[in-house]
Amino acid sequence: DAKTTQPTSMDCAEGRAANLPCNHSTISGNEYVYWYRQIHSQGPQYIIHGLKNNETNEMASLIITEDRKSSTLILPHATLRDTAVYYCIVSGGTSGTYKYIFGTGTRLKVLA
Amino acid sequence: GAGVSQSPRYKVAKRGQDVALRCDPISGHVSLFWYQQALGQGPEFLTYFQNEAQLDKSGLPSDRFFAERPEGSVSTLKIQRTQQEDSAVYLCASSRPDYPPRTQYFGPGTRLLVL
Repeated sequence: DAKTTQPTSMDCAEGRAANLPCNHSTISGNEYVYWYRQIHSQGPQYIIHGLKNNETNEMASLIITEDRKSSTLILPHATLRDTAVYYCIVSGGTSGTYKYIFGTGTRLKVLA
Repeated sequence: GAGVSQSPRYKVAKRGQDVALRCDPISGHVSLFWYQQALGQGPEFLTYFQNEAQLDKSGLPSDRFFAERPEGSVSTLKIQRTQQEDSAVYLCASSRPDYPPRTQYFGPGTRLLVL
């Protein structure tokens, strides 16, 4: 079973911020939170990752709650090309095979 | 730099045929993963290599599935006697360091259709 839960789908107006939530209440202390997105017929694309601090890169921002039980991916100015399935994954740490367990993700539709 | 590449991108096989799917990871990446993605579903883990050693094959669905990475770089996923339920996208991912975070980078996938 996936270690994360996400809403099945969300809509966002073009140019507005898209906020995608993820619950990972069973996360362990050394596991990272990763976000990927998958556009139809392509492989998952890495967006961002974090451990406990908030992170920002050229694609997005990641806000992780203090208890690390949930996080939010923020796309600050969504465009039509951001329409995709977004996956939140918890993995990594110092042991194990570091395989990813994908859930069903959030299907984000950016509306013109 | 070059990303993960996979070939072929599309493969049509008749039921019972053997197929071989190739993955070229990012140069220098130690870890390599195979995933299977059925239509409308998230990817599911198949197997994991660290260099040439296959350390986890718990996700391989049957003994018809076999993966190898003999020299620690290119990997091949082989499916023997293909069945219709094997139809899926097969994704390969690689990651470089042997310390956290072990971010995985995915290839475009091979879409397999078994008729």
